[in-house]
Amino acid sequence: NAGVIQTPRHKVTGKGQEATLWCEPISGHSAVFWYRQTIVQGLEFLTYFRNQAPIDDSGMPKERFSAQMPNQSHSTLKIQSTQPQDSAVYLCASSWTGGVYEQYFGPGTRLTVL
Amino acid sequence: GDSVTQTEGPVTVSESESLIINCTYSATSIAYPNLFWYVRYPGEGLQLLLKVITAGQKGSSRGFEATYNKETTSFHLQKASVQESDSAVYYCALGSNTGNYKYVFGAGTRLKVIA
Repeated sequence: NAGVIQTPRHKVTGKGQEATLWCEPISGHSAVFWYRQTIVQGLEFLTYFRNQAPIDDSGMPKERFSAQMPNQSHSTLKIQSTQPQDSAVYLCASSWTGGVYEQYFGPGTRLTVL
Repeated sequence: GDSVTQTEGPVTVSESESLIINCTYSATSIAYPNLFWYVRYPGEGLQLLLKVITAGQKGSSRGFEATYNKETTSFHLQKASVQESDSAVYYCALGSNTGNYKYVFGAGTRLKVIA
């Protein structure tokens, strides 16, 4: 089992450019989560899919951020017109469906917006 | 809203000494909280250390233990004798047993164990 895979591991973009982050959950897991980690805000929830359907995107900034899960083997987080304040480590996690099951985290994508 | 507060780091402890990292939670929108401790060792990803999904129960792993106390809304992490290899960042997390399974994390506590 390869664990949760995230690509790229590091991404540098210029202000105003688009960034797409990829996540491949553990095979068989039906829940996928995205979190963002910064020094100031810590680890904060962004969005959550269950069986590919969006369940909660309450943590997503209303503009410029979007997430999709087109199939059970990958999810994407897209940030349009990136800004320096978007610089963070973006973590993807997956789990079996059900709160009793823990989330398994990927290594994260470090996004730097210049 | 839901929140988690944990011991502010960094925490420095001498090897073989005892450790406690405090964690308290507020679960205003979660009927049945689940509690987790995650750890990030240097150069590694976030991994589960232990979890408890039933109030009053204790979880343990790698010499660490934590008891889910519903009365005091606490889930403190303890270890009787730390080792240098325990140096890491520890995160307390609050989840739900039903509905939305997202986590609310504490700010993390950096632990340094010195020889």
